[in-house]
Amino acid sequence: AQTVTQSQPEMSVQEAETVTLSCTYDTSESDYYLFWYKQPPSRQMILVIRQEAYKQQNATENRFSVNFQKAAKSFSLKISDSQLGDAAMYFCAYRPSGSARQLTFGSGTQLTVLP
Amino acid sequence: DTEVTQTPKHLVMGMTNKKSLKCEQHMGHRAMYWYKQKAKKPPELMFVYSYEKLSINESVPSRFSPECPNSSLLNLHLHALQPEDSALYLCASSQGATPSYEQYFGPGTRLTVT
Repeated sequence: AQTVTQSQPEMSVQEAETVTLSCTYDTSESDYYLFWYKQPPSRQMILVIRQEAYKQQNATENRFSVNFQKAAKSFSLKISDSQLGDAAMYFCAYRPSGSARQLTFGSGTQLTVLP
Repeated sequence: DTEVTQTPKHLVMGMTNKKSLKCEQHMGHRAMYWYKQKAKKPPELMFVYSYEKLSINESVPSRFSPECPNSSLLNLHLHALQPEDSALYLCASSQGATPSYEQYFGPGTRLTVT
């Protein structure tokens, strides 16, 4: 069974600084997708970034980037130039390709941005 | 329009009540999902509809009954709920049910069972 582990229940970062949220996963699949979702206090969850396992290049979306280490089964999220609006619960999620199996979420990391 | 709407935003119901949650999207998505989320926990998948047919039921108790009247609308009918069913209920949709498609989430309905 797939598992997703986020070992940091809470993190804080100073505004304009950089923070990295960690995520590890366990799977026997070779092809899959990894996601970072953000859920602000208003509760609407949005997709921050997505990585396809067969792509070696790390995904980047503006200030958000990932460090994908397939052999180590690690998928960390780096937020650069942190803004107050980045404060949220961040969930790492996994989903195998070519399968009806759905998203497996990690337990989440609550990020606080300090002014 | 990348919006999934859910009504009501909040719902309080007794254990003998019957109520329904509604979810709507107009993005032409053919897959729709219901999730249950407890405070400070990740969402838990309940149901998946693909092309208006129920494709996944994650062993959800029968007091939760989903319905997909058309490709834009998803309902969750509630009957004889228990206090432990109190949670945030999230709806999501995606272009298709395969992993390559992003899921768009609604804001949720905060349900309290008294």
